[in-house]
Amino acid sequence: DGGITQSPKYLFRKEGQNVTLSCEQNLNHDAMYWYRQDPGQGLRLIYYSQIVNDFQKGDIAEGYSVSREKKESFPLTVTSAQKNPTAFYLCASRLWQGDFVGYTFGSGTRLTVV
Amino acid sequence: AQSVTQPDIHITVSEGASLELRCNYSYGATPYLFWYVQSPGQGLQLLLKYFSGDTLVQGIKGFEAEFKRSQSSFNLRKPSVHWSDAAEYFCAVGPGAGNMLTFGGGTRLMVKP
Repeated sequence: DGGITQSPKYLFRKEGQNVTLSCEQNLNHDAMYWYRQDPGQGLRLIYYSQIVNDFQKGDIAEGYSVSREKKESFPLTVTSAQKNPTAFYLCASRLWQGDFVGYTFGSGTRLTVV
Repeated sequence: AQSVTQPDIHITVSEGASLELRCNYSYGATPYLFWYVQSPGQGLQLLLKYFSGDTLVQGIKGFEAEFKRSQSSFNLRKPSVHWSDAAEYFCAVGPGAGNMLTFGGGTRLMVKP
């Protein structure tokens, strides 16, 4: 079955460390997105990529970095510059064909600073 | 810029009662509108979406939503709530820059037995 796989499900980071969250899709979708979710704030866009080797900052990109070397993969690195990284992170991909638009979400990674 | 407001952070209803979750949006053209549901620690599941045509859309699990352009609203309804409907619900509008979705803050639904 096609879908989005996020790993790991839970991740713990020490102060000053960089960590990378994995997002892989086998849906052949062109666009991929990273959202951050905090209680009561909904989902906020971190980065997005519409094609391979190209990506754009979202609303809260500071302290994060991404790459898009393959269509299927869109990893997110949370750097030590992100001062409050504890959150739930969701990856999504988008299909747009004619008038149809559909978004698929992964099951998320919960990152905790220890 | 586009935005979504879900005025109710928490709603509690009794099992079997009707439900309406409110969603108001701001968007410069005809929007694509979505409702998603999220169980704790999980990703988002699409309940329904509106692109064009009939303003009353049917979704999964017995949910429906009505697009009202004059009120910039897309409220979600269900005639009879089940205990398994307890979750967090998100309204979203798009497409924005990069064809991304903008989400509301969510409404947490609790169901009393």
